[in-house]
Amino acid sequence: DQQVKQNSPSLSVQEGRISILNCDYTNSMFDYFLWYKKYPAEGPTFLISISSIKDKNEDGRFTVFLNKSAKHLSLHIVPSQPGDSAVYFCAAGAKVAGGTSYGKLTFGQGTILTVHP
Amino acid sequence: ETGVTQSPTHLIKTRGQQVTLRCSSQSGHNTVSWYQQALGQGPQFIFQYYREEENGRGNFPPRFSGLQFPNYSSELNVNALELDDSALYLCASSLRHTGELFFGEGSRLTVL
Repeated sequence: DQQVKQNSPSLSVQEGRISILNCDYTNSMFDYFLWYKKYPAEGPTFLISISSIKDKNEDGRFTVFLNKSAKHLSLHIVPSQPGDSAVYFCAAGAKVAGGTSYGKLTFGQGTILTVHP
Repeated sequence: ETGVTQSPTHLIKTRGQQVTLRCSSQSGHNTVSWYQQALGQGPQFIFQYYREEENGRGNFPPRFSGLQFPNYSSELNVNALELDDSALYLCASSLRHTGELFFGEGSRLTVL
Protein backbone atom coordinates (compact mmCIF):
# COMPACT_ATOMS: atom_id res chain seq x y z
CA ASP A 1 0.00 0.00 0.00
CA GLN A 2 1.88 2.99 -1.34
CA GLN A 3 0.47 5.97 0.55
CA VAL A 4 2.78 8.46 -1.16
CA LYS A 5 3.44 8.11 -4.87
CA GLN A 6 5.74 9.84 -7.28
CA ASN A 7 4.63 8.51 -10.63
CA SER A 8 7.45 9.98 -12.70
CA PRO A 9 10.70 8.06 -12.14
CA SER A 10 12.66 10.71 -14.03
CA LEU A 11 12.43 14.24 -15.45
CA SER A 12 14.78 16.00 -17.84
CA VAL A 13 14.79 19.81 -18.10
CA GLN A 14 16.87 22.47 -19.82
CA GLU A 15 18.81 24.92 -17.65
CA GLY A 16 16.80 28.08 -16.97
CA ARG A 17 13.44 26.37 -17.50
CA ILE A 18 10.93 25.33 -14.87
CA SER A 19 11.08 21.88 -13.28
CA ILE A 20 7.80 20.51 -11.94
CA LEU A 21 7.89 17.42 -9.75
CA ASN A 22 4.62 15.81 -8.73
CA CYS A 23 3.45 13.73 -5.80
CA ASP A 24 0.13 12.10 -4.88
CA TYR A 25 -0.97 10.76 -1.51
CA THR A 26 -3.87 8.68 -0.31
CA ASN A 27 -3.95 9.11 3.48
CA SER A 28 -6.15 12.06 4.47
CA MET A 29 -4.56 12.07 7.95
CA PHE A 30 -1.34 13.55 6.52
CA ASP A 31 -1.10 17.18 7.58
CA TYR A 32 2.49 18.04 6.78
CA PHE A 33 4.39 17.58 3.53
CA LEU A 34 8.06 17.92 2.71
CA TRP A 35 10.44 17.69 -0.21
CA TYR A 36 13.94 16.28 0.10
CA LYS A 37 16.80 16.27 -2.37
CA LYS A 38 19.38 13.49 -2.45
CA TYR A 39 22.75 13.38 -4.16
CA PRO A 40 24.58 10.05 -4.61
CA ALA A 41 26.47 8.94 -1.50
CA GLU A 42 24.75 11.56 0.65
CA GLY A 43 21.73 11.50 2.92
CA PRO A 44 18.52 13.30 1.90
CA THR A 45 18.62 17.06 2.44
CA PHE A 46 15.51 18.96 3.50
CA LEU A 47 14.34 21.45 0.86
CA ILE A 48 10.94 22.87 1.68
CA SER A 49 7.77 21.94 3.54
CA ILE A 50 4.11 22.88 3.66
CA SER A 51 1.40 22.49 6.26
CA SER A 52 -2.04 21.28 5.25
CA ILE A 53 -3.53 24.63 6.26
CA LYS A 54 -1.67 26.30 3.39
CA ASP A 55 -1.80 25.78 -0.36
CA LYS A 56 1.53 27.35 -1.28
CA ASN A 57 4.94 27.87 0.27
CA GLU A 58 7.85 29.61 -1.40
CA ASP A 59 11.57 29.65 -0.65
CA GLY A 60 13.76 31.27 -3.24
CA ARG A 61 13.66 29.24 -6.45
CA PHE A 62 11.55 26.52 -4.81
CA THR A 63 7.77 26.61 -4.45
CA VAL A 64 5.57 23.83 -3.16
CA PHE A 65 1.87 23.73 -4.02
CA LEU A 66 -0.67 21.63 -2.14
CA ASN A 67 -4.11 20.65 -3.49
CA LYS A 68 -5.82 18.91 -0.59
CA SER A 69 -8.99 18.02 -2.46
CA ALA A 70 -6.94 16.21 -5.11
CA LYS A 71 -4.43 14.88 -2.55
CA HIS A 72 -1.67 16.20 -4.76
CA LEU A 73 1.40 18.32 -4.24
CA SER A 74 4.03 19.61 -6.57
CA LEU A 75 7.47 21.19 -6.34
CA HIS A 76 8.37 23.93 -8.80
CA ILE A 77 12.00 24.91 -9.35
CA VAL A 78 12.48 28.15 -11.27
CA PRO A 79 14.89 28.66 -12.88
CA SER A 80 16.38 25.17 -12.93
CA GLN A 81 20.17 24.88 -12.61
CA PRO A 82 22.51 21.96 -13.39
CA GLY A 83 23.33 21.73 -9.66
CA ASP A 84 19.67 20.85 -9.05
CA SER A 85 20.25 17.48 -10.72
CA ALA A 86 19.49 14.94 -7.99
CA VAL A 87 16.81 12.55 -6.75
CA TYR A 88 13.82 14.36 -5.25
CA PHE A 89 11.66 12.69 -2.62
CA CYS A 90 8.22 13.77 -1.54
CA ALA A 91 7.33 12.90 2.07
CA ALA A 92 4.24 13.20 4.23
CA GLY A 93 3.68 13.12 7.96
CA ALA A 94 1.01 13.44 10.59
CA LYS A 95 0.95 14.58 14.18
CA VAL A 96 0.84 11.77 16.70
CA ALA A 97 -2.80 11.40 17.73
CA GLY A 98 -3.78 14.03 20.27
CA GLY A 99 -0.27 15.38 20.54
CA THR A 100 1.96 18.11 19.25
CA SER A 101 4.72 15.87 18.02
CA TYR A 102 5.33 14.28 14.66
CA GLY A 103 5.88 10.59 14.09
CA LYS A 104 7.14 8.86 10.99
CA LEU A 105 7.46 10.34 7.54
CA THR A 106 6.18 8.33 4.59
CA PHE A 107 8.29 8.80 1.46
CA GLY A 108 7.56 8.45 -2.22
CA GLN A 109 9.85 6.44 -4.50
CA GLY A 110 11.69 9.49 -5.77
CA THR A 111 12.07 11.30 -9.09
CA ILE A 112 15.46 11.67 -10.75
CA LEU A 113 15.79 15.24 -12.03
CA THR A 114 18.40 15.99 -14.68
CA VAL A 115 19.01 19.62 -15.63
CA HIS A 116 20.96 19.98 -18.87
CA PRO A 117 23.23 23.01 -19.43
CA GLU B 1 26.49 23.23 14.74
CA THR B 2 27.34 19.55 14.18
CA GLY B 3 25.17 17.64 11.74
CA VAL B 4 24.01 14.02 11.94
CA THR B 5 26.89 11.57 11.70
CA GLN B 6 26.65 7.83 11.11
CA SER B 7 29.12 4.97 11.34
CA PRO B 8 30.26 2.87 9.69
CA THR B 9 29.67 4.24 6.20
CA HIS B 10 29.99 0.86 4.51
CA LEU B 11 30.02 -2.69 5.78
CA ILE B 12 29.67 -6.22 4.50
CA LYS B 13 28.15 -9.04 6.53
CA THR B 14 27.06 -12.60 5.82
CA ARG B 15 23.62 -14.06 6.26
CA GLY B 16 22.80 -14.90 9.88
CA GLN B 17 25.25 -12.41 11.37
CA GLN B 18 24.36 -9.41 13.53
CA VAL B 19 25.12 -5.74 12.88
CA THR B 20 25.13 -2.53 14.93
CA LEU B 21 24.91 0.86 13.25
CA ARG B 22 25.55 4.09 15.13
CA CYS B 23 24.25 7.62 14.86
CA SER B 24 25.02 10.93 16.54
CA SER B 25 22.19 13.45 16.47
CA GLN B 26 22.43 17.03 15.32
CA SER B 27 23.16 19.32 18.23
CA GLY B 28 19.99 20.24 20.14
CA HIS B 29 17.81 17.54 18.57
CA ASN B 30 16.02 15.18 20.96
CA THR B 31 14.40 12.70 18.56
CA VAL B 32 16.08 10.08 16.39
CA SER B 33 14.49 8.09 13.58
CA TRP B 34 15.89 5.25 11.50
CA TYR B 35 14.97 4.54 7.89
CA GLN B 36 15.87 1.78 5.45
CA GLN B 37 16.33 2.72 1.80
CA ALA B 38 16.45 -0.14 -0.67
CA LEU B 39 17.84 0.47 -4.15
CA GLY B 40 15.45 2.52 -6.28
CA GLN B 41 13.02 3.10 -3.42
CA GLY B 42 12.25 5.88 -1.00
CA PRO B 43 13.30 5.61 2.66
CA GLN B 44 11.06 3.37 4.79
CA PHE B 45 10.46 4.12 8.46
CA ILE B 46 11.92 1.57 10.89
CA PHE B 47 11.38 3.28 14.26
CA GLN B 48 11.73 6.51 16.20
CA TYR B 49 13.20 7.18 19.64
CA TYR B 50 12.47 10.01 22.03
CA ARG B 51 13.85 10.24 25.56
CA GLU B 52 15.41 6.82 25.21
CA GLU B 53 12.08 5.12 24.46
CA GLU B 54 10.70 3.77 21.20
CA ASN B 55 8.09 6.22 19.97
CA GLY B 56 6.66 4.52 16.92
CA ARG B 57 7.63 1.57 14.74
CA GLY B 58 7.18 0.73 11.10
CA ASN B 59 6.55 -2.64 9.50
CA PHE B 60 9.85 -4.28 10.46
CA PRO B 61 10.31 -7.55 12.38
CA PRO B 62 11.56 -7.66 16.01
CA ARG B 63 15.07 -8.59 14.88
CA PHE B 64 15.39 -4.88 14.11
CA SER B 65 15.93 -3.15 17.45
CA GLY B 66 17.31 0.14 18.64
CA LEU B 67 18.56 2.23 21.50
CA GLN B 68 18.75 5.91 22.27
CA PHE B 69 21.25 7.17 24.83
CA PRO B 70 21.00 10.13 27.24
CA ASN B 71 23.06 12.28 24.85
CA TYR B 72 20.42 11.49 22.14
CA SER B 73 22.80 9.35 20.08
CA SER B 74 21.35 6.08 18.85
CA GLU B 75 22.07 2.56 17.67
CA LEU B 76 20.27 0.29 15.23
CA ASN B 77 20.79 -3.43 15.74
CA VAL B 78 19.78 -6.09 13.25
CA ASN B 79 20.00 -9.77 14.20
CA ALA B 80 19.95 -12.83 11.96
CA LEU B 81 20.75 -10.83 8.85
CA GLU B 82 18.98 -11.76 5.63
CA LEU B 83 19.96 -10.98 2.05
CA ASP B 84 17.01 -8.52 1.78
CA ASP B 85 18.47 -6.46 4.61
CA SER B 86 21.02 -5.14 2.13
CA ALA B 87 20.20 -1.43 1.94
CA LEU B 88 21.21 2.09 2.92
CA TYR B 89 20.30 2.72 6.56
CA LEU B 90 19.58 6.36 7.29
CA CYS B 91 19.48 8.01 10.66
CA ALA B 92 17.62 11.30 11.06
CA SER B 93 17.36 13.65 14.01
CA SER B 94 14.69 16.21 14.72
CA LEU B 95 12.95 18.21 17.37
CA ARG B 96 9.88 16.41 18.66
CA HIS B 97 7.45 19.22 17.82
CA THR B 98 8.57 19.66 14.23
CA GLY B 99 8.25 17.33 11.28
CA GLU B 100 11.52 18.18 9.57
CA LEU B 101 14.10 15.43 9.66
CA PHE B 102 17.81 16.03 9.21
CA PHE B 103 19.54 12.99 7.77
CA GLY B 104 23.02 11.60 8.05
CA GLU B 105 24.88 10.21 5.03
CA GLY B 106 23.78 6.68 5.83
CA SER B 107 25.38 3.31 6.40
CA ARG B 108 25.48 1.06 3.34
CA LEU B 109 24.98 -2.55 4.45
CA THR B 110 25.63 -5.46 2.10
CA VAL B 111 24.58 -8.94 3.20
CA LEU B 112 26.16 -11.81 1.30
